[in-house]
Amino acid sequence: TQLLEQSPQFLSIQEGENLTVYCNSSSVFSSLQWYRQEPGEGPVLLVTVVTGGEVKKLKRLTFQFGDARKDSSLHITAAQPGDTGLYLCARPMNRDDKIIFGKGTRLHILP
Amino acid sequence: NAGVTQTPKFRVLKTGQSMTLLCAQDMNHEYMYWYRQDPGMGLRLIHYSVGEGTTAKGEVPDGYNVSRLKKQNFLLGLESAAPSQTSVYFCASRRSGTPNTGELFFGEGSRLTVL
Repeated sequence: TQLLEQSPQFLSIQEGENLTVYCNSSSVFSSLQWYRQEPGEGPVLLVTVVTGGEVKKLKRLTFQFGDARKDSSLHITAAQPGDTGLYLCARPMNRDDKIIFGKGTRLHILP
Repeated sequence: NAGVTQTPKFRVLKTGQSMTLLCAQDMNHEYMYWYRQDPGMGLRLIHYSVGEGTTAKGEVPDGYNVSRLKKQNFLLGLESAAPSQTSVYFCASRRSGTPNTGELFFGEGSRLTVL
């Protein structure tokens, strides 16, 4: 059962372009986390969104939590080669202490 | 600042051999997790622990066992390794309380190859 769907799976764009990646579920999230993973390293937390409709900004990255708390998006403005990596969304399960991840979006920014 | 440390970082096994991966954290976190990462599959939860002496199954627990005898350590064991267990294994920890906002801190991963 794929509880979190991330799209697109791969994205390769030129430096300076804007992009949006998505994380969706058929069920309501209590919260959602976004992580970035670079080759040879573990994922690192970027942001946690908790409230429906919430928008958080981290420099050129904008994270949005859907009003119905079933989806989230990550928008990058003026992408740079340093943004290259695997972007993962994760959600805690309501019934227990599991934290489940999506399959990720692999982003490559071309200089 | 050590954070989460995994050993070994690389290992090659033959089918049927056993081994243990060790995860150690120095942040006094209650919760610890083991994930495996395969190409195109993201991170899949194997087992996790909400405190010393407790463990629970995740999404893909078959073929693995775990133990949490000390709060700072979480061991992942493979009793009889299979080629399907070739993967990169990540350990993570987080503080107790609501999972809604708890940040996961990850180790650098352990790359296991089963021939």
